[in-house]
Amino acid sequence: DAGITQSPRHKVTETGTPVTLRCHQTENHRYMYWYRQDPGHGLRLIHYSYGVKDTDKGEVSDGYSVSRSKTEDFLLTLESATSSQTSVYFCAISRQGNNQPQHFGDGTRLSIL
Amino acid sequence: AQTVTQSQPEMSVQEAETVTLSCTYDTSESDYYLFWYKQPPSRQMILVIRQEAYKQQNATENRFSVNFQKAAKSFSLKISDSQLGDAAMYFCAYYPQGGKLIFGQGTELSVKP
Repeated sequence: DAGITQSPRHKVTETGTPVTLRCHQTENHRYMYWYRQDPGHGLRLIHYSYGVKDTDKGEVSDGYSVSRSKTEDFLLTLESATSSQTSVYFCAISRQGNNQPQHFGDGTRLSIL
Repeated sequence: AQTVTQSQPEMSVQEAETVTLSCTYDTSESDYYLFWYKQPPSRQMILVIRQEAYKQQNATENRFSVNFQKAAKSFSLKISDSQLGDAAMYFCAYYPQGGKLIFGQGTELSVKP
């Protein structure tokens, strides 16, 4: 398995609270991604990073921010969580992007009440 | 906009039989990559097979093979000699050069003993 660790694995929180999810990799890959998975939608890209401090928006970025201060860590923050952000969140990494397949973490199940 | 469509939300196959999962995509690009990912109940995302658009030969990985029809923008996955462990959600994904990975909605495959 690719060395990707997501934390926490599960979280339940209340509307309006800030939430930070962490993705840690040991592969020294350049590209890191955050997706959310919802029934009927597959996986949708939230944000991605192509290097330290280099990030860009994905398809569903509203309400989310990211930071990457080190190659190995990519943080996803919900500044003020809403019930519509209840989902399963996946981190992925790839060596070069483009033609390189992405390898995924085990996901974080986030419930916002 | 580039889209990926999996028209079969659910499929079922008898153990040891063959099943084909459908995927179509919409793009004006000529150079891209296509992937099939498997997601078992454990929630892991596992890369099953990949196809480069510039290669006419269909990719094969053991019991898994694809039927890639570039003109028709079709990328189906065939699973031969189905096993109980093949039961999972399967996602088709499209990856353009310089772009971002786009997933289909998924097909849930059940395998009957």
